[in-house]
Amino acid sequence: AQKVTQAQTEISVVEKEDVTLDCVYETRDTTYYLFWYKQPPSGELVFLIRRNSFDEQNEISGRYSWNFQKSTSSFNFTITASQVVDSAVYFCALTGANNLFFGTGTRLTVIP
Amino acid sequence: GAGVSQSPRYKVAKRGQDVALRCDPISGHVSLFWYQQALGQGPEFLTYFQNEAQLDKSGLPSDRFFAERPEGSVSTLKIQRTQQEDSAVYLCASSLGGYGLGSNQPQHFGDGTRLSIL
Repeated sequence: AQKVTQAQTEISVVEKEDVTLDCVYETRDTTYYLFWYKQPPSGELVFLIRRNSFDEQNEISGRYSWNFQKSTSSFNFTITASQVVDSAVYFCALTGANNLFFGTGTRLTVIP
Repeated sequence: GAGVSQSPRYKVAKRGQDVALRCDPISGHVSLFWYQQALGQGPEFLTYFQNEAQLDKSGLPSDRFFAERPEGSVSTLKIQRTQQEDSAVYLCASSLGGYGLGSNQPQHFGDGTRLSIL
């Protein structure tokens, strides 16, 4: 069965610090996709990135970067030079047969 | 509209009442999903539609929960004889194509309906 673990429940950083959110997953599938979503206080889940199981190339998009390591079943997310607007709950998710399996989320608070 | 629209935004009901939650997906999106999100938790899958066909309802917690999408666009999630443990945020999501094992398509979520059962 699919499982996603986000061990960090809450993280607080001071503005402009870098922060890494951890995600570890379990699956028996050979083909799967991993996602990160952001959930601001408004409640809507905002899609950030997807990565397929065959592509371990790390990606950078502006202040965001992702580190996918299949050998350790991890898909970590780093925000560089954090800003107050980054404060939200971040969810890692893994594809199942007909749905996404979400972790319990990491609440990030960026302090001005 | 441009995004997934859910209504009502908030719903308060007394235990035992029936409720209906509406989801209007992004126009043209084939797949539609319902998730339940308890406080402090991640969303948990309830059911999946491909057009009007309900292909997976394995996540529905009991037979009090019923979902439909009769014309392949708008969907309604109905909860009968509500109980306090039904209190949660109910999220709807849609994606462009059909979903399946290993699908890479991102799901686009609405703002959710916060249901409180008194």
